[in-house]
Amino acid sequence: DVVMTQSPLSLPVTLGQPASISCRSSQSLAHSDGNTYLNWFQQRPGQSPRRLIYKVSNRESGVPDRFSGSGSGTDFTLKISRVEAEDVGVYYCMQGTRWPWTFGQGTKVEVK
Amino acid sequence: EVQLVESGGGLVQPGGSLRLSCAASGFTFSNFWMHWVRQAPGKGLECVAAIKEDGSQTSYVDSVKGRFTISRDNAKNSLYLQMDSLRAEDTAVFYCASLPRGSGSYWGQGTLVTVSS
Repeated sequence: DVVMTQSPLSLPVTLGQPASISCRSSQSLAHSDGNTYLNWFQQRPGQSPRRLIYKVSNRESGVPDRFSGSGSGTDFTLKISRVEAEDVGVYYCMQGTRWPWTFGQGTKVEVK
Repeated sequence: EVQLVESGGGLVQPGGSLRLSCAASGFTFSNFWMHWVRQAPGKGLECVAAIKEDGSQTSYVDSVKGRFTISRDNAKNSLYLQMDSLRAEDTAVFYCASLPRGSGSYWGQGTLVTVSS
């Protein structure tokens, strides 16, 4: 199985400041169809997960543009340009290239 | 509005069985692969089973192979997970979700399965 490793696991942030989460996969996530199926999810406290980003850098409808994704191969990053209070929660990367689809351990974003 | 509503969770003894259901509305259910994702208490997410749009193909994570069966009824816009030979380590919130490779991912609110004597 593809192992997804996130860092950091805990990220204290200052409101209005940028934040960045790294995700590395144990194998390249490039698919034979030319796409790379790396997703980012947000799980606010007490809520179901919500996908923010698909195929590395595409935002889901309704996701604020302060969220951006980048990367290729085995190294990926989620950036929040200016953290807002509603961004508190746990963020997961997930690969959808090879079954079983696998998630990272999660990064807990909290306000300092 | 898209809705995925899970039901069927509860307390079951080790070795027992449970059948989860998920009722979908607000999108064309028959056009999407569907998934069951679980989250053990205080832990991360694990995708345990998936089923193709027409039900002709299913996939499972190794830890549930031979014990769990995913199925769907497109006429009823419903997804199911039959869980047999349950173990304590299966205790989790189970989410019904669409996880397409393209846009449009939807999740239910989850149903809690507790395996304990």
